[in-house]
Amino acid sequence: SQQGEEDPQALSIQEGENATMNCSYKTSINNLQWYRQNSGRGLVHLILIRSNEREKHSGRLRVTLDTSKKSSSLLITASRAADTASYFCATLRYNTDKLIFGTGTRLQVFP
Amino acid sequence: EPEVTQTPSHQVTQMGQEVILRCVPISNHLYFYWYRQILGQKVEFLVSFYNNEISEKSEIFDDQFSVERPDGSNFTLKIRSTKLEDSAMYFCASSESPTPGETQYFGPGTRLLVL
Repeated sequence: SQQGEEDPQALSIQEGENATMNCSYKTSINNLQWYRQNSGRGLVHLILIRSNEREKHSGRLRVTLDTSKKSSSLLITASRAADTASYFCATLRYNTDKLIFGTGTRLQVFP
Repeated sequence: EPEVTQTPSHQVTQMGQEVILRCVPISNHLYFYWYRQILGQKVEFLVSFYNNEISEKSEIFDDQFSVERPDGSNFTLKIRSTKLEDSAMYFCASSESPTPGETQYFGPGTRLLVL
């Protein structure tokens, strides 16, 4: 089954605005992680939220997790042009090593 | 800040040739992974490795693929006889342990093009 679908697929905003990206998944998870990928580059880990957590903050990032709806959101506040990248959620199920990545949201922040 | 490194950054090869992709995980990490991302598609898990053996592998990781930790620092992915569909970005990752919730840190990737 497919795991990790982000929406929107693409998001364009102005600098200073907030960006919200959503991720849905299908099976129960141990944790959910968000990664950023600049065009053609590597994956940078942003934040991890465990299944028993509901919200987590890191700097301008806020992540929520709703295990009853099997969904997560990533909020970037006061966005900057440097936030322009693709953002992926990745889930880790129990008893497995492998992260299952979503399709990603391409965020464009205009100065 | 310690980071995962990968070489080469780009590799072009002919179909049927063997390629070896190299990774240097973060030094105190014990668990290593390979993922790949075909252009425009999702990042896909290939294999995880601990204590000198594969701990988990995906359906993609068939007999053409192998992994090795030849020394105390390198972790390699070998593709024995490359196919056109092996063209992708290959990411190495490492974590301190696979216990639930441990972050996997990714390298910058090797872009493999098979002609």
